[in-house]
Amino acid sequence: EAQVTQNPRYLITVTGKKLTVTCSQNMNHEYMSWYRQDPGLGLRQIYYSMNVEVTDKGDVPEGYKVSRKEKRNFPLILESPSPNQTSLYFCASSPLGGGKTQYFGPGTRLLVL
Amino acid sequence: AQSVAQPEDQVNVAEGNPLTVKCTYSVSGNPYLFWYVQYPNRGLQFLLKYITGDNLVKGSYGFEAEFNKSQTSFHLKKPSALVSDSALYFCAVRDRDSSYKLIFGSGTRLLVRP
Repeated sequence: EAQVTQNPRYLITVTGKKLTVTCSQNMNHEYMSWYRQDPGLGLRQIYYSMNVEVTDKGDVPEGYKVSRKEKRNFPLILESPSPNQTSLYFCASSPLGGGKTQYFGPGTRLLVL
Repeated sequence: AQSVAQPEDQVNVAEGNPLTVKCTYSVSGNPYLFWYVQYPNRGLQFLLKYITGDNLVKGSYGFEAEFNKSQTSFHLKKPSALVSDSALYFCAVRDRDSSYKLIFGSGTRLLVRP
C-alpha cells in the first residue's frame, strides 16, 4: 500500500530533551515536507526537500532540523524542544512536476512540558 | 503576501441538504488549488484539485469544487451531505512558479446533523 508513515504517533517530552520524528514514504517521491498544525492557523511548512541531500527552510524552521540521506526518509529533529513546539506534525510527499498531489502521513502529536 | 482564507470556522448543515465550504485565496498568477479533509485522529486526505481546464472539479466522496478566477475562490460543495462528512476541511494553494509549498487556510469544521 502506498503510504507515508510517521513515528511516533504521540510523544510527550520535557523541555530540552532532543527528539526525532521519523517519516518514511514508499512511493519513490522526490519531494518531502514537514508541516505543523496549530488551531486557527492551518498547516505551516517547517522544512522541505526536493531530493536526496537537498533541503531548505519553510515558513517556520526555527528550532527544527531535517536531513535527507535517503530518498524514502525525511526525519524531523528537535535538538532542544520547547513548549511552543507543542503541536501536531505532518509529513508529506509528492512527485515533482506541476500540480502533483501531496500525500500526508497520519500525524505526530507532540507535547513538550 | 500569499494567503488562503476560509471565512467560516464552522459550517452546520442537516443531512441530505447541500453544503458549501468557502475558500478564497490571494496568490499571484494561476495557482494550483486543493481541498483536503481531516477526520479525527487521522492525517489529511486529498479530496480534489484544480490544475487547469473545466472550472468545476469533481473529487472523492461526491465532493466537487468550483474555481472562480475573477473572485479568486475555490468553494467546496456537495449536493447532499452525510453525517459521515463531518470533519475538518482545509483549502490549500500552491504557486505554479515557486516552491512546492502548500499554503493552507485555517480550516473549516463541517458538522452534519442527522
